[in-house]
Amino acid sequence: DAKTTQPPSMDCAEGRAANLPCNHSTISGNEYVYWYRQIHSQGPQYIIHGLKNNETNEMASLIITEDRKSSTLILPHATLRDTAVYYCIVRAPYSGAGSYQLTFGKGTKLSVIP
Amino acid sequence: NAGVTQTPKFRVLKTGQSMTLLCAQDMNHEYMYWYRQDPGMGLRLIHYSVGEGTTAKGEVPDGYNVSRLKKQNFLLGLESAAPSQTSVYFCASILLGTNTEAFFGQGTRLTVV
Repeated sequence: DAKTTQPPSMDCAEGRAANLPCNHSTISGNEYVYWYRQIHSQGPQYIIHGLKNNETNEMASLIITEDRKSSTLILPHATLRDTAVYYCIVRAPYSGAGSYQLTFGKGTKLSVIP
Repeated sequence: NAGVTQTPKFRVLKTGQSMTLLCAQDMNHEYMYWYRQDPGMGLRLIHYSVGEGTTAKGEVPDGYNVSRLKKQNFLLGLESAAPSQTSVYFCASILLGTNTEAFFGQGTRLTVV
């Protein structure tokens, strides 16, 4: 699976959009981009994932560049409860073999400020 | 639907003691994982299982053993605990398919003194 690079920390004002970048310049054509977050040492929580097209759900939006070498997770109206470590993960689709694990880096610590 | 449940949530062990961490999922997921997380670090894979009766080593398997006798349960054992195994342990499970969201337990905080 491709490696990802994220800034170690970011701040965002409450109520504003939080834009978390992720670089995955070695991503392969069939690899998905996943985002998880971990709130205060709880178990990681799935946010969103995508392959090529931009994706949106009730939690966030995922914008993937056309060359797929980077992506941005957008939390449209950040709240204090969004303070967490956000992990960007690249993973190939299930192929019937291997661990199919999620490989976690250190992520981005997002602090939402009142 | 409880999702992924880990037992216990906290434990203190003395060096050399043994213990078993239990992970239970009620979602009929095929794959299950044990991760450990040390301060300021991401999660690292210890062992995983692709189905009942099968287990395999992950990135950091030394000092741990696992078993998956039933599809819904994945056990992580420490035969002789060491201070280096002080960590937070997370279990996860995945239902294979097009939307393979992983579900995580709330973690077990283990301290070895």
